[in-house]
Amino acid sequence: GAVVSQHPSRVICKSGTSVKIECRSLDFQATTMFWYRQFPKQSLMLMATSNEGSKATYEQGVEKDKFLINHASLTLSTLTVTSAHPEDSSFYICSARSYIDGYTFGSGTRLTVV
Amino acid sequence: AQSVTQPDIHITVSEGASLELRCNYSYGATPYLFWYVQSPGQGLQLLLKYFSGDTLVQGIKGFEAEFKRSQSSFNLRKPSVHWSDAAEYFCAVGATGTASKLTFGTGTRLQVTL
Repeated sequence: GAVVSQHPSRVICKSGTSVKIECRSLDFQATTMFWYRQFPKQSLMLMATSNEGSKATYEQGVEKDKFLINHASLTLSTLTVTSAHPEDSSFYICSARSYIDGYTFGSGTRLTVV
Repeated sequence: AQSVTQPDIHITVSEGASLELRCNYSYGATPYLFWYVQSPGQGLQLLLKYFSGDTLVQGIKGFEAEFKRSQSSFNLRKPSVHWSDAAEYFCAVGATGTASKLTFGTGTRLQVTL
């Protein structure tokens, strides 16, 4: 089946710094990837839809300048949390659409901002 | 707009007992429906999906789900639960098209007693 690799799995950063999270489709091309945020014991909230070669589409209420998304190739999308603050601490999960499995998810990134 | 309701936040069953997790959706056309399972600190694993055809869908780990259009439901079932099934379960609905986003329910936490 389709595989999505997400790195890093855990990251701790200082407040005010930026963190980049990578999402790769390993055995298929993904023109569209999705970035979700999940708070403890809560559901996944879609942050943005990442489109290869074009600007991402952000959900209402998501700050475009804080959560920068780049989808430079058919197999890689990145989410950069800029000027991170403790309230950005969360579990971030990416997903890619494949014709085999529908939506395949990465293993997630636990971001802790201190 | 599409939406998903999982009315049960937390369910406890005994190992070996049967399980049914409820999911109701709202979508204007024929939906794509999914069930995912998430272990703590992990990404989402696809259990099964419904795109079209037979309304009873078989998935991995002995799970099945039945699409009932008249009830707008897609309940997940398993005849005999194992202790390793303890996890968070999410129902999701999506539309056709590779750029279509998934909308998740709030999740049901399954606890299995020995």
